[in-house]
Amino acid sequence: DAGVTQSPTHLIKTRGQQVTLRCSPKSGHDTVSWYQQALGQGPQFIFQYYEEEERQRGNFPDRFSGHQFPNYSSELNVNALLLGDSALYLCASSLGTSGGAVETQYFGPGTRLLVL
Amino acid sequence: AQTVTQSQPEMSVQEAETVTLSCTYDTSENNYYLFWYKQPPSRQMILVIRQEAYKQQNATENRFSVNFQKAAKSFSLKISDSQLGDTAMYFCAFMKHWSRDKVIFGPGTSLSVIP
Repeated sequence: DAGVTQSPTHLIKTRGQQVTLRCSPKSGHDTVSWYQQALGQGPQFIFQYYEEEERQRGNFPDRFSGHQFPNYSSELNVNALLLGDSALYLCASSLGTSGGAVETQYFGPGTRLLVL
Repeated sequence: AQTVTQSQPEMSVQEAETVTLSCTYDTSENNYYLFWYKQPPSRQMILVIRQEAYKQQNATENRFSVNFQKAAKSFSLKISDSQLGDTAMYFCAFMKHWSRDKVIFGPGTSLSVIP
């Protein structure tokens, strides 16, 4: 049973560029959440997707956008990169059960983004 | 808004000994989940243990157990018979129960197991 996978593992960009990160959820999961983890800190929630729509959003600017595909995989896009966007980006998947209760989120290995 | 606090940035423990990591949280919710996640130096975040707030019994997973004090909003993790592989960052986390919701993480505790 494949777990959550993310690509690429590492990425180096320069300020002002755009980046796309990808995530494949754990088999059977339909909900994908994205988190940003700055060095030495806990992850911060960016947004969550299910049924191909953004359902919740954390305190991140519109430069951060995403997409979910019919196969439940997801992309995170960041435009106009800033130095402060350098971080580990984590994807987590879960299964939304009937009634809205959410099962535990399982995390991928992350994508390390460095903005120069 | 919910917040999670971990007051111990770093801890160390001798191999085979027991260590307790502290966590407090603030919420007005009555139903919620609490988690401890482990992030080894290889960075993959792994779920260690989960507690449903409506359950009075403390969760246990092998060498890992929690002390959940709902009234005090406290959720500590006890690791028994510490092993070198337990060396990692440990994050306490909160999630509301009856919704597809985000996980709110604490700042983490860096645990080192010393041979």
